[in-house]
Amino acid sequence: QQQVKQSPQSLIVQKGGISIINCAYENTAFDYFPWYQQFPGKGPALLIAIRPDVSEKKEGRFTISFNKSAKQFSLHIMDSQPGDSATYFCAAVNSGAGSYQLTFGKGTKLSVIP
Amino acid sequence: NAGVTQTPKFQVLKTGQSMTLQCAQDMNHEYMSWYRQDPGMGLRLIHYSVGAGITDQGEVPNGYNVSRSTTEDFPLRLLSAAPSQTSVYFCASSSRDGWLSYEQYFGPGTRLTVT
Repeated sequence: QQQVKQSPQSLIVQKGGISIINCAYENTAFDYFPWYQQFPGKGPALLIAIRPDVSEKKEGRFTISFNKSAKQFSLHIMDSQPGDSATYFCAAVNSGAGSYQLTFGKGTKLSVIP
Repeated sequence: NAGVTQTPKFQVLKTGQSMTLQCAQDMNHEYMSWYRQDPGMGLRLIHYSVGAGITDQGEVPNGYNVSRSTTEDFPLRLLSAAPSQTSVYFCASSSRDGWLSYEQYFGPGTRLTVT
């Protein structure tokens, strides 16, 4: 059972456009939702994260929107740049379980074209 | 700081062979973990450790062993390699605070092919 569903699988956006990646979860015990960015040949790196008591978090051009009732959250990349081309993973954590395990979505490959 | 280092970068094994993937970190992090990444599957946790001498299983532990004798090192052993273990393996580490905020530092990965 896939606990975190991520879409789309791939995304092509023009430079300067808005990239939107969506994730949905089923386990209501999840209480922390990070996004990771991975460039080809590299390991993932934490990009931005949100807790469910906040509906939105913004860091520079990156914004997470969170809808607790719908059990959905999304990543918006404003003014997308070619350097943003990477694979993005959403994740979820149930910190109450004590194991702090990250459950990842399957990833979205973003290509920003000039 | 070198951060998280992994060796080797690439490895080809025959079915049934055993090997150890090495992971080391120089940030004095308590928490270390191993993930595998398969196309279209995201990252899946294999094993993790919350400190020297303490390890636990993740989502996909079968066929893998780990031990943590020092804070710095967290090797992953493949006991009898199978083609299903063909994957890219990532080691990650974090401080206690980092674990709670889920900022894990990932190594560059080991690409393993089992024929």
